[in-house]
Amino acid sequence: GAVVSQHPSWVICKSGTSVKIECRSLDFQATTMFWYRQFPKQSLMLMATSNEGSKATYEQGVEKDKFLINHASLTLSTLTVTSAHPEDSSFYICSAGPLTGRYEQYFGPGTRLTVT
Amino acid sequence: AQTVTQSQPEMSVQEAETVTLSCTYDTSESDYYLFWYKQPPSRQMILVIRQEAYKQQNATENRFSVNFQKAAKSFSLKISDSQLGDAAMYFCACNTGTASKLTFGTGTRLQVTL
Repeated sequence: GAVVSQHPSWVICKSGTSVKIECRSLDFQATTMFWYRQFPKQSLMLMATSNEGSKATYEQGVEKDKFLINHASLTLSTLTVTSAHPEDSSFYICSAGPLTGRYEQYFGPGTRLTVT
Repeated sequence: AQTVTQSQPEMSVQEAETVTLSCTYDTSESDYYLFWYKQPPSRQMILVIRQEAYKQQNATENRFSVNFQKAAKSFSLKISDSQLGDAAMYFCACNTGTASKLTFGTGTRLQVTL
């Protein structure tokens, strides 16, 4: 149980275009989802917290107009990188949680974004 | 706000031996939760073990156990009978309740040698 999927797992896009990443909780309802960015050999950096039906809360330094987050249902959150630039190339990971009575987050497999 | 510190960037252990990964944390909350996550080369984050701060008993999951020292704000992970599949990046993390964000340490890369 507690499986989170992400799609796509790998995407290449051209500079100036937008790309959408989907995060789904497959076997549970997630009122809260989190989006992280991870650079090579570094830890996870929280970008934003999204709650179903409300606006996302962004961490300091994260451009909300560049990283659009939508959490339209209890099983789906999306991250759209708008007007992507090479410096946006990174590994993006989503997580969902918690399940009733538990406090851990369950992570998706991640999406590798390469902007050329 | 909380902080999590992992002071060992890399560790190495021989197969079948025991290794301990260190983690210290700081939080002003009285109710919080601590976790160890494993990130293998696939980069999928996997929950290894969790500890509720209000529980005095150290958590154990098969070959994985923690030494939770609340007063010292220390939360180390012990891996017994290490296996090649244990090779990964290990992250210590803390959160302060349901639907709250995780704060991660910088990670410890564990190598397992034959």
